[in-house]
Amino acid sequence: AQKVTQAQTEISVVEKEDVTLDCVYETRDTTYYLFWYKQPPSGELVFLIRRNSFDEQNEISGRYSWNFQKSTSSFNFTITASQVVDSAVYFCALTAYNQGGKLIFGQGTELSVKP
Amino acid sequence: DAMVIQNPRYQVTQFGKPVTLSCSQTLNHNVMYWYQQKSSQAPKLLFHYYDKDFNNEADTPDNFQSRRPNTSFCFLDIRSPGLGDAAMYLCATSKGTSGSFEQYFGPGTRLTVT
Repeated sequence: AQKVTQAQTEISVVEKEDVTLDCVYETRDTTYYLFWYKQPPSGELVFLIRRNSFDEQNEISGRYSWNFQKSTSSFNFTITASQVVDSAVYFCALTAYNQGGKLIFGQGTELSVKP
Repeated sequence: DAMVIQNPRYQVTQFGKPVTLSCSQTLNHNVMYWYQQKSSQAPKLLFHYYDKDFNNEADTPDNFQSRRPNTSFCFLDIRSPGLGDAAMYLCATSKGTSGSFEQYFGPGTRLTVT
């Protein structure tokens, strides 16, 4: 069975602080994909990044960076110099190659960035 | 801009009164998904269409049905809504189902059952 765990339910930081959102996953599949989505108060899920199981290279996109470590089954997300606009619920998700695209979501981490 | 559109954004229905939610896309994607997201929970897949092929999740209640008359549109029908069906309903699209394609989500329809 596949499972995604986001142990941090809520995080509150002050603007300009760095913050890391944790994601731990479980799967028996060898080919799988990991995602991060952002859900602002408006409700729409916004795609941030996709990683496949064969690519452990870390990625940086502006203030966002992702650390994928198969050895610990983790796919953590760091926001550097957080801003108020980063306030949202962030979901980590997993799907395997043969799952018909079904995303298994973690419970989400609600990030609040205060001015 | 290409996008996923959901109408209405907010829907109020009475207990037991059938309701239909609409999703359209301009991305020309093959796959359309419907997710249910209850308050403070993660989205949960109900079913998806790959072109005209319908794929139902095993734990999706029979009360939920879907139609995809063409590539652009997909509908979610709730035949007899109960209070427990109050949720945000999210439509998503993707080019394929292999997982190598990201899913693009619409803004959702928030359903209230009175």
